[in-house]
Amino acid sequence: GAGVSQSPSNKVTEKGKDVELRCDPISGHTALYWYRQSLGQGLEFLIYFQGNSAPDKSGLPSDRFSAERTGGSVSTLTIQRTQQEDSAVYLCASSFLQDPYGYTFGSGTRLTVV
Amino acid sequence: GQQLNQSPQSMFIQEGEDVSMNCTSSSIFNTWLWYKQEPGEGPVLLIALYKAGELTSNGRLTAQFGITRKDSFLNISASIPSDVGIYFCAGLGGTSYGKLTFGQGTILTVHP
Repeated sequence: GAGVSQSPSNKVTEKGKDVELRCDPISGHTALYWYRQSLGQGLEFLIYFQGNSAPDKSGLPSDRFSAERTGGSVSTLTIQRTQQEDSAVYLCASSFLQDPYGYTFGSGTRLTVV
Repeated sequence: GQQLNQSPQSMFIQEGEDVSMNCTSSSIFNTWLWYKQEPGEGPVLLIALYKAGELTSNGRLTAQFGITRKDSFLNISASIPSDVGIYFCAGLGGTSYGKLTFGQGTILTVHP
């Protein structure tokens, strides 16, 4: 596609439920990143994919968070047993390998845990 | 996680005024980037700085990469209402891929 597509754009979930957030990167972009943006904060790195592998998942806050990427394309970020502190905007970005200047962000998924 | 210290947190200015914001870090970065984020959208790259001491302009925007590689500033001249948004600095370094460390953001409001 023309840009990075994320879905859903908004998600309200009850505490304790699992959620899945989806990212469709720009076609041909081999690198994919997930960031989290909490209210009034900058973006916090979560995980980096190169192809289908995740050489850096150091930013995942806890073992409730996991992510996968299939076919070198679509990525899913899963949060299990959601907590209120998980409420944030989750942003996905993609780029060609080693071209961070060509980062393109999606519009994000706003997650609210009630 | 590590974050850059960005200031000011917010600015309220009149149209036509100049704006300045800056970022500092305790760590060295090889590249500094400045992004703008509008409501409901992801950040968009404004300026990238690759060398210490570099001064780069993009229209009414000017940014500099500090000589110590631990700071950067962004100036916006003759602000207009569409400059409204959140401005983020970001540092790139320490990895062979594009992992970015972001500042907390500066919220800019421009009054017509």
